[in-house]
Amino acid sequence: KQEVTQIPAALSVPEGENLVLNCSFTDSAIYNLQWFRQDPGKGLTSLLLIQSSQREQTSGRLNASLDKSSGRSTLYIAASQPGDSATYLCAVNNNDMRFGAGTRLTVKP
Amino acid sequence: GAVVSQHPSRVICKSGTSVKIECRSLDFQATTMFWYRQFPKQSLMLMATSNEGSKATYEQGVEKDKFLINHASLTLSTLTVTSAHPEDSSFYICSAGQSTDTQYFGPGTRLTVL
Repeated sequence: KQEVTQIPAALSVPEGENLVLNCSFTDSAIYNLQWFRQDPGKGLTSLLLIQSSQREQTSGRLNASLDKSSGRSTLYIAASQPGDSATYLCAVNNNDMRFGAGTRLTVKP
Repeated sequence: GAVVSQHPSRVICKSGTSVKIECRSLDFQATTMFWYRQFPKQSLMLMATSNEGSKATYEQGVEKDKFLINHASLTLSTLTVTSAHPEDSSFYICSAGQSTDTQYFGPGTRLTVL
């Protein structure tokens, strides 16, 4: 059974800092990996989707990498802003999606 | 892009009543839909996989007689929480896709059982 772990569970940084969120998974036979953002009490916003054949995806200040063989993905956020404060979820898809517990990010002005 | 809607977005009900949540794919046909729930401060947990025209597959620990799933058409799946209790209060999210490798998520339904 696929297990997804996210580290750290919570992170607080001053505005402007670059930061990295980590996601690891136990079964490397995946279709894809997706990073989501979830604001308190809200649904999911998809940030980046990396197919199993890809190594990374970029969107604006976000960059996600995937190392399938080692079962790891990172989400890099450049020049963080207070509006980036949210919970970030990593989900791994191998026939169904399994979510990590999330990293709760706070960016302080 | 593909859009998935859920209705209602928020529901409050009394203990013992049943609640139906709809998940619709608005601009594509979804052969597979998934239902998740999220308890406060926890991650999303897969409840069941719903395939059009066949019985849903439930994850271990999810009572199929309590959480009735119907996927009668390629654009609609429903989750009915029967005899709801306060511990069923949660955020329920569905996802839909034409295949399992790409899923689009609904906005979620917040259920509060008094």
